[in-house]
Amino acid sequence: QQQVKQSPQSLIVQKGGISIINCAYENTAFDYFPWYQQFPGKGPALLIAIRPDVSEKKEGRFTISFNKSAKQFSLHIMDSQPGDSATYFCAAATSGTYKYIFGTGTRLKVLA
Amino acid sequence: DAGVTQSPTHLIKTRGQQVTLRCSPKSGHDTVSWYQQALGQGPQFIFQYYEEEERQRGNFPDRFSGHQFPNYSSELNVNALLLGDSALYLCASSLVGGAGSNYGYTFGSGTRLTVV
Repeated sequence: QQQVKQSPQSLIVQKGGISIINCAYENTAFDYFPWYQQFPGKGPALLIAIRPDVSEKKEGRFTISFNKSAKQFSLHIMDSQPGDSATYFCAAATSGTYKYIFGTGTRLKVLA
Repeated sequence: DAGVTQSPTHLIKTRGQQVTLRCSPKSGHDTVSWYQQALGQGPQFIFQYYEEEERQRGNFPDRFSGHQFPNYSSELNVNALLLGDSALYLCASSLVGGAGSNYGYTFGSGTRLTVV
């Protein structure tokens, strides 16, 4: 029940295309859903986050879509660029607790 | 503004040995969390320290222990190393408020531990 399932494991997108990464969870107590971007040799960096009281949040080219009834959320990267090539992790947390539950990651490669 | 600093960056240890990893949080942050990231996997929560006390612990054995100092820096100690302990160890700092608060975590670049 504590797991966050992430798909796909890897993704190849042409420059200018849309990258879509999906996550699903079981624990309805989760109320904070961040996405992290990780480059090789670096730690994860917060990209964008959402709470279940909204269905969508957009920041620049990055959008989170959230479906509370389906217990799913996804990251959309519009106009994908080679510099977006990285590993992306979704995560979930519960207010009042102190840990994130991370997905297994998606390795994105954007072809020039 | 310095971010989260971890040392060393790489470490090779032999099975059965003990290791200490260090973390300096981002300026202004008072909470330190440690995560283990195995190759090709997402980070897994080890524990969190606040006010020099372990506030929450993940599913890790007692071989994993930690400490937080008055200046908010932290150490992760692993005893009796196993081959399976080989991983990237990430330190994340934040302001008090918890994982679900509006205070995001800032991660360091990690310490790559190899146990041989």
